[in-house]
Amino acid sequence: QKEVEQDPGPLSVPEGAIVSLNCTYSNSAFQYFMWYRQYSRKGPELLMYTYSSGNKEDGRFTAQVDKSSKYISLFIRDSQPSDSATYLCAMIRAPYSGGGADGLTFGKGTHLIIQP
Amino acid sequence: DTAVSQTPKYLVTQMGNDKSIKCEQNLGHDTMYWYKQDSKKFLKIMFSYNNKELIINETVPNRFSPKSPDKAHLNLHINSLELGDSAVYFCASSQDLASQPQHFGDGTRLSIL
Repeated sequence: QKEVEQDPGPLSVPEGAIVSLNCTYSNSAFQYFMWYRQYSRKGPELLMYTYSSGNKEDGRFTAQVDKSSKYISLFIRDSQPSDSATYLCAMIRAPYSGGGADGLTFGKGTHLIIQP
Repeated sequence: DTAVSQTPKYLVTQMGNDKSIKCEQNLGHDTMYWYKQDSKKFLKIMFSYNNKELIINETVPNRFSPKSPDKAHLNLHINSLELGDSAVYFCASSQDLASQPQHFGDGTRLSIL
């Protein structure tokens, strides 16, 4: 079983729809959770960053973490064609358990297409 | 100003050559990283480097050697390049080993002929 599972898609939705992206993971030591957006031929761009369980909202983006289910989600409201990209979930252990030295563990990314 | 910058953006070279990739961050961060993104777009950590001190990732062949002249720079030197080294290499940084998140550069696309 891979440490982080993410459906690669492609996921195609009409403009204005609510998009739901998610990842599951197996390592209960993960404490920090991130969502990155990656456009073609560019580096991952940080979208959302959360610690432990809970919700976080930033503009049209909402990140949810459910540690009991080992499940994280990213919701995009009022989706725009410019949101078309690959979305990567990433996570890392707490620093006191060596998390910084591990680096981030990524999902494989979901390719999202917003149709105008 | 670009927070994490890498040079070159593209690198095409022959098998067996030695090449270097440079990374610079202007965020004042203490910790820098190298990641490899393979042909299937999967990103995997290679090295983490904290305040010029290397933290070794043992799964990386010793043909790969990071070097940090100061904490704002982390370079990656690759000896005896192999076909399997073709990938996109990303540099990233974070405030320190205990802090997240990480910020990424735009990558160096390495192609081995």
